[in-house]
Amino acid sequence: EAGVAQSPRYKIIEKRQSVAFWCNPISGHATLYWYQQILGQGPKLLIQFQNNGVVDDSQLPKDRFSAERLKGVDSTLKIQPAKLEDSAVYLCASSLGGTGGLYEQYFGPGTRLTVT
Amino acid sequence: AQSVAQPEDQVNVAEGNPLTVKCTYSVSGNPYLFWYVQYPNRGLQFLLKYITGDNLVKGSYGFEAEFNKSQTSFHLKKPSALVSDSALYFCAVRGLNYGQNFVFGPGTRLSVLP
Repeated sequence: EAGVAQSPRYKIIEKRQSVAFWCNPISGHATLYWYQQILGQGPKLLIQFQNNGVVDDSQLPKDRFSAERLKGVDSTLKIQPAKLEDSAVYLCASSLGGTGGLYEQYFGPGTRLTVT
Repeated sequence: AQSVAQPEDQVNVAEGNPLTVKCTYSVSGNPYLFWYVQYPNRGLQFLLKYITGDNLVKGSYGFEAEFNKSQTSFHLKKPSALVSDSALYFCAVRGLNYGQNFVFGPGTRLSVLP
């Protein structure tokens, strides 16, 4: 079974530029999560999708971050414009089933973003 | 608000000895509780979870954890540590009340010394 795929693996941009991350979840996983993991901290949930609908985006900084999952499979996370404090690893995870969090999450390798 | 505490940044244990990585949480209502492990240069991997039922749950690689509702704890344990267990361990909680979602702890780095 193929795992969660993410690209790119690394990205370096200057502040005020834009950047996009892509995630392909495990086949058949209806739920998709994006997390931000700052160095030395645990992952912080940014947004949760159920199929192509947003379940929870309460911690997404919507003035600069956006995410979509148009066909209920792949997802993209965008930052525009980036700030220095956005430097982090962005993790995508997927899981089976509904919105309740019953199922374990499978994580991708992450995208390490450095904003200079 | 939900929160997860992992009171130890680092845990050192000798190979063959038992290990414990501590986790306490705060949620409204009942929780789902998870442990994940992050090996160097690898993504987060699921170890085990508590959903309901028996307070002692067993997971991958010989790990187990005990849910203690009165102490709001979910400590990770293993009877005999291996050097290959050295990694970063994260506890996560998801409250079941409306508006609650996953919260991860800050992580505990486990070093198993040969």
